[in-house]
This record gives sequence, structure tokens and C-alpha cells, in this order.
Amino acid sequence: GEDVEQSLFLSVREGDSSVINCTYTDSSSTYLYWYKQEPGAGLQLLTYIFSNMDMKQDQRLTVLLNKKDKHLSLRIADTQTGDSAIYFCAHGGGRRALTFGSGTRLQVQP
Amino acid sequence: KAGVTQTPRYLIKTRGQQVTLSCSPISGHRSVSWYQQTPGQGLQFLFEYFSETQRNKGNFPGRFSGRQFSNSRSEMNVSTLELGDSALYLCASSFSGGSYEQYFGPGTRLTVT
Repeated sequence: GEDVEQSLFLSVREGDSSVINCTYTDSSSTYLYWYKQEPGAGLQLLTYIFSNMDMKQDQRLTVLLNKKDKHLSLRIADTQTGDSAIYFCAHGGGRRALTFGSGTRLQVQP
Repeated sequence: KAGVTQTPRYLIKTRGQQVTLSCSPISGHRSVSWYQQTPGQGLQFLFEYFSETQRNKGNFPGRFSGRQFSNSRSEMNVSTLELGDSALYLCASSFSGGSYEQYFGPGTRLTVT
């Protein structure tokens, strides 16, 4: 199967760290992605990780991959109000299309 | 570099009509993929075009079709519109195709009445 599951909602206070989790079932995925969608906008590619990596850090973003458990997480350090958006986890590989989770709405409270 | 552009941004159509949406990819990108986003079904893949050829297709009825031109611009067409076709249609471009590093446009919001 190709299901991707995410929790629906996460609320944090400004300055705290946010951790958004994702689980997937397709073990043949080569790339795993995090996209951000703000209201009325398209999807912004935030970061991605290859399936042979455990961790990737990009400024305030840290991606952790546990391939054995098929679990992916996105940590946002020092979360700001501008980080409020819907975050989508997605996976793909080769010529296959992206398969998306249902998205996690992140609300950052001042 | 300019990003992915989609036109029009908003569209209102009546059931039974047809509609054509346009997507211009990032310069140099040869692959264009189309996705449908709805509150109920989430993001679903429609099809991908690479160098004017359809390379991959999702599970949508034949009313949904697309094409790609020699300059990599792509159009998608939906015929005999149904209420359930109301959605945000997103186009994504990629240099190498497939799911690798897809960059999305702002989408076209289609409302069918």
C-alpha cells in the first residue's frame, strides 16, 4: 500500500520547537519530502531526505527518518508565527508520483 | 528564475461544461505533473508529462486529460464537469521528472456550480 498518515493538528507557542510526525507504508520509497502550504497558496518544498539517510538538518529544520519503523518527522526549531501553515509529508521514487499525507495544521500562538 | 505559473487562478464553471487549465514550468524543467486537492480526498495525482509524452497517470476518469507542448508548458482539460470536480488544481515542475524535487505553482481554484 501507499498510505501516508499524519496527525491533523499541532499547536505550539512561539519560540518553542514543533515536531510533526508522519508514517508511511511503502518501503520502496526513495525520497521523502516535507511541503508547506499557506492559505490560498500552492505547496512549498521545504526539504527532503533520501531513504538511505537518518537525519538531515537545514537551518531551523531537522528531518529524522526511521526506515525500520517507516516513520518520518520534521522538527522546526524556534517556531515563529510565520510557520503557521499546513505541512504535508510525501514520498516517492523513480518515476512514481508523489504520494501525500493528509497534512498537519500547525498553529503557532504568540 | 521565475517559479511555476498557473492560469487562470480562479474559475467558475457550470456542470456539463469543459475547462482548460494552463501551467508554465520553471525554465529548463521538462516534467510537469498535475494534482487535484480537495478537502475530502486530499492531494491526488492526475498525470505527469515529460518531453511532451504522458509518462504516468493517476486513477482519474477519462474526462481528465492533458498535454504538453514543445516549450514544456502544459494544459489539462476536464470535460463534462461535475460538482465533484470543484478543487484546487496544482501543477508541479521537475527537471528530471518523477517525484524528484517537484516545485509547485499557486494552483487554479475551480468551482463547478
